[in-house]
Amino acid sequence: DAGVIQSPRHEVTEMGQEVTLRCKPISGHNSLFWYRQTMMRGLELLIYFNNNVPIDDSGMPEDRFSAKMPNASFSTLKIQPSEPRDSAVYFCASTLGTSGNLVVETQYFGPGTRLLVL
Amino acid sequence: DAKTTQPPSMDCAEGRAANLPCNHSTISGNEYVYWYRQIHSQGPQYIIHGLKNNETNEMASLIITEDRKSSTLILPHATLRDTAVYYCIVRVYPGTYKYIFGTGTRLKVLA
Repeated sequence: DAGVIQSPRHEVTEMGQEVTLRCKPISGHNSLFWYRQTMMRGLELLIYFNNNVPIDDSGMPEDRFSAKMPNASFSTLKIQPSEPRDSAVYFCASTLGTSGNLVVETQYFGPGTRLLVL
Repeated sequence: DAKTTQPPSMDCAEGRAANLPCNHSTISGNEYVYWYRQIHSQGPQYIIHGLKNNETNEMASLIITEDRKSSTLILPHATLRDTAVYYCIVRVYPGTYKYIFGTGTRLKVLA
C-alpha cells in the first residue's frame, strides 16, 4: 500500500501566481480531507469530500481557494492568486469511511506539501 | 465536537512510560476520544481511540475516566522515536469524519 500520495512535496512561488496541490488517496477510501498547518493556527481542516462530493468547505479561507475531486483517486487544491500568508504545509488525508456495516474512520495522512509564497 | 485541553509540553526518559493527559470535560455521550501524533515534518499518525472502556493496541493504551471527562494516553516504554506532538481529539461517532485538532502536547523523550 503506497499510502496517501501528495505532489509536489515542496513548492516555492511568487505572490499572485496560481498554485495547484495534488493528492491521491489510498485506494478504496471514500473520504478525503485537505488540511493546512501553520505555526500560528496549527492544523486546520479546509474541506472534506465523501464519495467525491464536497461535504464541508467551511474551513476554506476565502474564494482564492478551491478544491475538486473529479474521481475517487484524485483531488486538487488550488490557490489563485496566491499570497504570502498562504505559506504553510498542506496535508491531504483519506479514510475508508464505511466497509460493509463497519464504520472505519481512522484518517491516513500524506507527507504534505510545503508551500512558500514569496 | 467537544474541546480538549492538553499540556503544551512534557519530557519523558527513554524506556519509561509516558503518560499524556487530556481534559474533555464537555464531552457528550456519543463522542469518541481519538489520539494522533505528528512526528516532526510528517503527517499526523493515528494511535488509538475509545469511547468509555480502556483500550490497548500495539502502540499505546488509552485510559478514559469513568465520567469520561478526561483520558490518558500511555506509551508503555517510550523511545526516542516517540518524540512528537500528540493530539487528543473528541468527535461524534459515527459522524461526519471531521476532526478538530487542538495544539497538542509536545513530548520529548530524553536519552
